Amino acid sequence: KQEVTQIPAALSVPEGENLVLNCSFTDSAIYNLQWFRQDPGKGLTSLLLIQSSQREQTSGRLNASLDKSSGRSTLYIAASQPGDSATYLCAVLPMDSSYKLIFGSGTRLLVRP
Amino acid sequence: SQTIHQWPATLVQPVGSPLSLECTVEGTSNPNLYWYRQAAGRGLQLLFYSVGIGQISSEVPQNLSASRPQDRQFILSSKKLLLSDSGFYLCAWSVFGGSKDGYTFGSGTRLTVV
Repeated sequence: KQEVTQIPAALSVPEGENLVLNCSFTDSAIYNLQWFRQDPGKGLTSLLLIQSSQREQTSGRLNASLDKSSGRSTLYIAASQPGDSATYLCAVLPMDSSYKLIFGSGTRLLVRP
Repeated sequence: SQTIHQWPATLVQPVGSPLSLECTVEGTSNPNLYWYRQAAGRGLQLLFYSVGIGQISSEVPQNLSASRPQDRQFILSSKKLLLSDSGFYLCAWSVFGGSKDGYTFGSGTRLTVV
């Protein structure tokens, strides 16, 4: 059974710092991995989607990497800003017939001014 | 472009009352549709998913039901709400099961059962 773990559960950093959020999954048979952002009381906003054949994706100050064989992904945020404060969720799409996303429990990020 | 609409944004309902949450998708055909619930301090739980009109799969036995009366409409219902039904409900859609473009989520409905 696929399980997704995110470490750390919470993170507080000063503005301007570069930071890394970690995601690990137990079964490497996945179609893709997706990183989401959730602001308090809001829905999920997709940040980056990495297909299983890809190693990384970049969008602005965000860079996500995928090492499928080791079951790991990282989300790198450069030059963090207070507006980056949110919960970051990673999710994998298992390569079975279910097409159901499996989510991690998220990392709650606070960027202090 | 594809968009997803979910309403209402907030709902306060008494125990025992009925529930109807609606989700519609624009700009795509034959999407896979999903209902998730996010309880306070807990992760996202898949409740229902649908691969086509009238085709509903339930993930968790509960007090809720789902229907898909039209290709791009997904409804979450309950005949009698329980306190434990409180939570944040999210609708999502994908095409090709999400294998190509991933999932897109709506803005959510905050349900408080009192």
